[in-house]
Amino acid sequence: QSALTQPASVSGSPGQSITISCTGTSNDIGTYNYVSWFQQHPGSAPKLLISAVSDRPSGVSYRFSGSKSANTASLTISGLQAEDEADYYCSSYTSSRTYVFGTGTKVTVL
Amino acid sequence: QVQLQESGPGLVKPSETLSLTCDVSGGSITITNYWSWVRQPPGKGLEWIGEISHNGFANYNPSLKSRVAMSLDTFKNQFSLNLTSVTAADTAIYYCTRESGAYVPFGHWGQGTLVTSSS
Repeated sequence: QSALTQPASVSGSPGQSITISCTGTSNDIGTYNYVSWFQQHPGSAPKLLISAVSDRPSGVSYRFSGSKSANTASLTISGLQAEDEADYYCSSYTSSRTYVFGTGTKVTVL
Repeated sequence: QVQLQESGPGLVKPSETLSLTCDVSGGSITITNYWSWVRQPPGKGLEWIGEISHNGFANYNPSLKSRVAMSLDTFKNQFSLNLTSVTAADTAIYYCTRESGAYVPFGHWGQGTLVTSSS
């Protein structure tokens, strides 16, 4: 199974909004609403930000939101803050009853 | 609050078997449907290794399926990963995870453990 495709890097200034895309196929994102997003700071384990395309777990900032259109899911970070500088990964359930992660996106706060 | 802690050798010789355990504390391993393993080579992205259900049903990444085995020990409240015939490409941080809902297998993560394959 091939990894989902994410941009290698995205940057923005404090206070701005940025969007990270995650492109899959009709065998994963296009068919299932089981897309999750994770934030990973250097030296730490990933942290769940979004599940089921757009659900935010308790404790996750409202500034993080998710959406999906066809084979592409997106994570939007609004009101960008310095602490948002991290790596971000998407994941999806697949028609093979497996899970696949995205290639990862490094977010830089200018 | 259920917590996860990976443990095992930090160094494995090429061609040998990597064995890791994930200790579950703060709750019974039977209360969650699925437990998973994820790995991350240094400086690279995440890779799903597989999952095991509370009743022992396992499901693996096709690219690793021939070398992976997972098991669950309800008495010790832990689950395990075995990866055979390791090579340098298996050098990675290995994380165990707990689901936080249906089809949300990576809701909670252990801190991870670095395993290096080298002679």
